[in-house]
Amino acid sequence: AQTVTQSQPEMSVQEAETVTLSCTYDTSESDYYLFWYKQPPSRQMILVIRQEAYKQQNATENRFSVNFQKAAKSFSLKISDSQLGDAAMYFCAYRSARLGDMRFGAGTRLTVKP
Amino acid sequence: EAGVAQSPRYKIIEKRQSVAFWCNPISGHATLYWYQQILGQGPKLLIQFQNNGVVDDSQLPKDRFSAERLKGVDSTLKIQPAKLEDSAVYLCASRSLKLDRGLPRGYTFGSGTRLTVV
Repeated sequence: AQTVTQSQPEMSVQEAETVTLSCTYDTSESDYYLFWYKQPPSRQMILVIRQEAYKQQNATENRFSVNFQKAAKSFSLKISDSQLGDAAMYFCAYRSARLGDMRFGAGTRLTVKP
Repeated sequence: EAGVAQSPRYKIIEKRQSVAFWCNPISGHATLYWYQQILGQGPKLLIQFQNNGVVDDSQLPKDRFSAERLKGVDSTLKIQPAKLEDSAVYLCASRSLKLDRGLPRGYTFGSGTRLTVV
């Protein structure tokens, strides 16, 4: 079964600085998708960025980028120029291209200090 | 587009009582999911629907949980009878089968229902 591990329960960053959130996963499949979701106190999960396993190029979305290392099964999220609104829980998720359901890690709580 | 609607937003019940949650997905989204998120953990899939058929309910505690998606649109999740360990946020999500820039679309989540069983 696929598992997703986020080893950092909490992270803190100074406003305008850069922070990297870690994620590793375990799978025997070759075709899958990876996602980072943000969950603010409102509880709604918001898609931040996604990556297809077959694509070598790391995905970027404005201030958010990933470092995807397929061989190492690592998928870290880098947030540049951190803003107060970035404070939230961040979840890494894996979805098999074949099965379709999404598996989440335990999350990392990000605090942004002014 | 309108988001995924869920109700109620909060619910407090006593153990052994029954409770139902409602979800209205984004119009046209064929796939609907119910997730359970216990405090301090990531969401865990309970059941997945494709239109009005069940695709995966392997993690649904069927002795007490049930779900349906009549007519392939709205869905309800029921717990009967509730236990203390059912206290959690219940998230509904839907997904379009259309691709976005060649990639599958992520799920669109509702704001969830926070259930407290006392």
